[in-house]
Amino acid sequence: DSGVTQTPKHLITATGQRVTLRCSPRSGDLSVYWYQQSLDQGLQFLIQYYNGEERAKGNILERFSAQQFPDLHSELNLSSLELGDSALYFCASSAVSGGADGELFFGEGSRLTVL
Amino acid sequence: AQKVTQAQTEISVVEKEDVTLDCVYETRDTTYYLFWYKQPPSGELVFLIRRNSFDEQNEISGRYSWNFQKSTSSFNFTITASQVVDSAVYFCALTIYGNNRLAFGKGNQVVVIP
Repeated sequence: DSGVTQTPKHLITATGQRVTLRCSPRSGDLSVYWYQQSLDQGLQFLIQYYNGEERAKGNILERFSAQQFPDLHSELNLSSLELGDSALYFCASSAVSGGADGELFFGEGSRLTVL
Repeated sequence: AQKVTQAQTEISVVEKEDVTLDCVYETRDTTYYLFWYKQPPSGELVFLIRRNSFDEQNEISGRYSWNFQKSTSSFNFTITASQVVDSAVYFCALTIYGNNRLAFGKGNQVVVIP
């Protein structure tokens, strides 16, 4: 158990809809990262938050957004969903924004299926 | 930009055989970390090993060992005496010092046949 909690574990929705994925980091971790795992793109970094502020953006679509709340949990919002958004979305956390540790702790993922 | 290449896609071995997974990376940074993660059929990503760019010492941890060679930008991973529970997808990943944003390879599907 990594200590990172993601909900929901599975989600099925239709094209055009909007969903929210939630992540609770390990206790005390200030950084939250979102990754997308799809069959064609593999594992890709989407976005990072550190202590409530956006720190870095990766290959995140404009239809997607995220935020980190004062209690450090994070939400990834996916809107105007398309079939290609079907993927496993991982959240990870770390104690610091970057530096000597270099280790991320991953949640079990939220599997999104868009029909 | 960082790039990780795992050339082999699927590897099948008979139980108790050794399996070696190849990983080649690209980065212009001199300080970086390399990782191996395991993704079993249940889907979660499990951290296995980490190495920083200043430490090329190769080690063994249980049935896992790794061979880090900066000269060839390779970070290969070996499972000794494979077991059925080792069946999973294994990812090599790279991050540079100063951020924890991992660049993953495409993964190696390992199938251990009993």
